Amino acid sequence: GENVEQHPSTLSVQEGDSAVIKCTYSDSASNYFPWYKQELGKRPQLIIDIRSNVGEKKDQRIAVTLNKTAKHFSLHITETQPEDSAVYFCAAPEPSNNNDMRFGAGTRLTVKP
Amino acid sequence: EAGVTQSPTHLIKTRGQQATLRCSPISGHTSVYWYQQALGLGLQFLLWYDEGEERNRGNFPPRFSGRQFPNYSSELNVNALELEDSALYLCASSPLWGGETQYFGPGTRLLVL
Repeated sequence: GENVEQHPSTLSVQEGDSAVIKCTYSDSASNYFPWYKQELGKRPQLIIDIRSNVGEKKDQRIAVTLNKTAKHFSLHITETQPEDSAVYFCAAPEPSNNNDMRFGAGTRLTVKP
Repeated sequence: EAGVTQSPTHLIKTRGQQATLRCSPISGHTSVYWYQQALGLGLQFLLWYDEGEERNRGNFPPRFSGRQFPNYSSELNVNALELEDSALYLCASSPLWGGETQYFGPGTRLLVL
C-alpha cells in the first residue's frame, strides 16, 4: 500500500526566509498530491495541490514541486511570515485501495519574527 | 456553500462509556472520512464511507465503528471508551470516490476521564 513519509517533523525559520517540506510516496500510480495547513486549534485546510501531469504549481508565496521519477513532492514557502506558523500535512492517494488518501505525519513550522 | 459540520464540539465521557460523534458533509459530497488526532500529533485514519458503504478502515479496534446515512451524513461510535481515546476527531468530506481533495470539519474534542 501507499506509504507517505514527510520530513522534517519540525522546522524553525526566521521571518523572511524560505521553508521547504518534503514528502515521499511509494505508489508510482499515485496522481494527486495535496498540502494542508493546520493552525493551532483549527481544522486542516487545503493550501495547494498538484496533479501528476505537471511538475510545479505556484500560488503567490507557496509552491509545490513534483518529481514523479523519484516519487517525491515538496512544499516551498518563500518570504515566510509569522502567520505561516502551523502544522503542514502532505497526502497521496493509494490507487490500489480505491485511492484512499494517505497523510504524512506532519511538519510543525515555526516562523520567528 | 456551507462547509463540513460536526457535533458536538466538545464531549466529556468517563472510561467504559460510549461516545457518538456526528458529521454532515458538504452538500453534494458522498464520501466521508474520519480521523483521530491526538494532541500535537498527526492524522490517524479511522474510517471511510461512500454511498452508505464502509470503503476502508484504519488500524483501530472494532470498538470504533460508524455508519453513513442516506443523506450522506455520518456517525462515529466509540464503545468502551479508554483514556487514550481522548483526542480531536476530525471528519472530512470529498466530492468524488477517493483521490481528491478532502474538506475538513472543525472536529469534536473528546475527553475521556
